[in-house]
Amino acid sequence: EVQLVQSGAEVKKPGESLKISCKGSGYSFTSYWIGWVRQMPGKGLEWMGIIYPGDSDTRYSPSFQGQVTISADKSISTAYLQWSSLKASDTAMYYCARQDGGYRYWGQGTLVTVSS
Amino acid sequence: QSALTQPRSVSGSPGQSVTISCTGTSSDVGGYNYVSWYQQHPGKAPKLMIYDVSKRPSGVPDRFSGSKSGNTASLTISGLQAEDEADYYCCSYAGSYTFPWVFGGGTKLTVL
Repeated sequence: EVQLVQSGAEVKKPGESLKISCKGSGYSFTSYWIGWVRQMPGKGLEWMGIIYPGDSDTRYSPSFQGQVTISADKSISTAYLQWSSLKASDTAMYYCARQDGGYRYWGQGTLVTVSS
Repeated sequence: QSALTQPRSVSGSPGQSVTISCTGTSSDVGGYNYVSWYQQHPGKAPKLMIYDVSKRPSGVPDRFSGSKSGNTASLTISGLQAEDEADYYCCSYAGSYTFPWVFGGGTKLTVL
């Protein structure tokens, strides 16, 4: 069974760093693109970026380029989304999803709250 | 790339059909047959309902169908049921090496 399991909710202060994870199982992790999607409170889905764990080829939406870093460790079948300096406006639910004729499999989401 | 344009809300009575539109440009929706649709219930992760414009993943009822004409894709839900009430998002491949995918703004479906 294909599963994407994300790390737990985080509460951080502005300016702090953060790295959240998405662990894939039940399939060849290196063979499918993994995307990250933001959903701010009460808002729609926003495509942030995507990584191919096989060779770490990574693409970013212009809205998120330079704001976040997407990476992957294929040895442990895990993709990451990280921030070096969080802002209050980063408060949102973040989803990872496997790109496979559409985003067929989704993680459960990681809620990130940034507040002083 | 700009977000794809969807109506903010649509509604229908049980048993009726509704159609949700998703308008892009020739650089995304109109240029590729890679439009997908997602259903999201409150507090849940999105669920893939349609991919490659009109294909249904296994387990998705055939009441859900997708189509495309020019720069506009559509999701049609026939025989509306109460559990279809949710937010729906379209997504399209945009062909850019650096920014390959774009979502629509989302549509709230209300079953009256």
